[in-house]
Parts: sequence; C-alpha cells; structure tokens
Amino acid sequence: GESVGLHLPTLSVQEGDNSIINCAYSNSASDYFIWYKQESGKGPQFIIDIRSNMDKRQGQRVTVLLNKTVKHLSLQIAATQPGDSAVYFCAEGDNYGQNFVFGPGTRLSVLP
Amino acid sequence: ETGVTQTPRHLVMGMTNKKSLKCEQHLGHNAMYWYKQSAKKPLELMFVYNFKEQTENNSVPSRFSPECPNSSHLFLHLHTLQPEDSALYLCASSQDIGNSPLHFGNGTRLTVT
Repeated sequence: GESVGLHLPTLSVQEGDNSIINCAYSNSASDYFIWYKQESGKGPQFIIDIRSNMDKRQGQRVTVLLNKTVKHLSLQIAATQPGDSAVYFCAEGDNYGQNFVFGPGTRLSVLP
Repeated sequence: ETGVTQTPRHLVMGMTNKKSLKCEQHLGHNAMYWYKQSAKKPLELMFVYNFKEQTENNSVPSRFSPECPNSSHLFLHLHTLQPEDSALYLCASSQDIGNSPLHFGNGTRLTVT
C-alpha cells in the first residue's frame, strides 16, 4: 500500500505544554484517518478519527488537523500530562478498503 | 478492560510446537483482524474476516492459519514457526469493513525459540 510516515520518531515535552505529533501520507485516495495511542504492554487505543470532508476535529484535550493539499495530518494534545506518555500512530484508510496503513509511530515523553 | 480480549498474553514456543492464539470481541462488531507488530516496523495486516468470511490474506505464510467460527471469536493457529515470527500479535475488530475504526486487544507477545 501507500506509505504513511511520521516526521518525528521521538518527542519530549514539558508537563502542561501542548504537544503536536505530525504524520504525512502519500495516498491521495485515502479519505479516513485515525490516531491511536499505544502504552507499554497494551494494544493501540483509538483516540480520534477524521474524514476527508473535514479539516479539523476536536475531542477531549485532543485536536486532529487534516491538510489534504499537502497530505498532512497532525494530532495536538493540550496541557500534556504524564499519562499521555506513549507511542502515537496515525493510520490511513478509505471507506471501501480493509487495510489501514499505519505509520511507524512517534514516542511522546512527558517531562516533569 | 478493552472490548477485545486476547489470550494468552505471553507465549513461548519451540519451532516444532503447535499453539493457538485466541481473540474474543464483546462489541457486536462484524469484522475481525489479525495484525503483527514487530520492533521497528509498522503494524502489518495479516488476515481480515467479515461476517465470519475471510476477505484478506496479506501474503501470510501457511504456518499461520486463522479460524473464525463466528463473528465474535477469532483464532490464529501456529505451527512450525521461525524465530523471526517472534512479535506482538494483535487482534482487532470493527463495526464494518472500512469507514469505522479498529478496536484492538492488548495482544499476545509471542517468542519462538
């Protein structure tokens, strides 16, 4: 499939600051995007998703931005907390496909 | 506790052993998946089942054999594995194929000796 990549493999932020995790995708046919969080010893946990007819979607302390022009996806975490420390994956798919393409992941470390 | 339960959590097996991984979803979803997660590699899709029918086999070696007796249960039968098959095996489910997020279990950490 097409590739999904992450600009930054690791990200360290101070507790209380905002975090931004980026993702680039290459398949212009992708129209559904998901962010997952994976803590040590656990499976990926759904955070938020966005469809291609939107450019922004907000959840609790998280915002996903989609820029289809440059094929870029970002996850913003407000007031980052120690519990946010994990690996974050983006995934792209389409309304008809069954094979989500996952990025390699970004490790977020929250410093006290 | 997630809506997708995988057992066992850890498994060590020799290359000549036969073992099975089990997955059960309590979400009423129609589709179930097996993914492989290896160090330094993105998640790799292995198999997809939709309404108990296999719809995807992502060029997986025949030493991995899936089974889906109903839409709530999924098995991965393992035999004559290789050390490079050591990985975290994740089961997931989704409401439908496409257009809905995957919900993952916590995986089975498999070590092949």
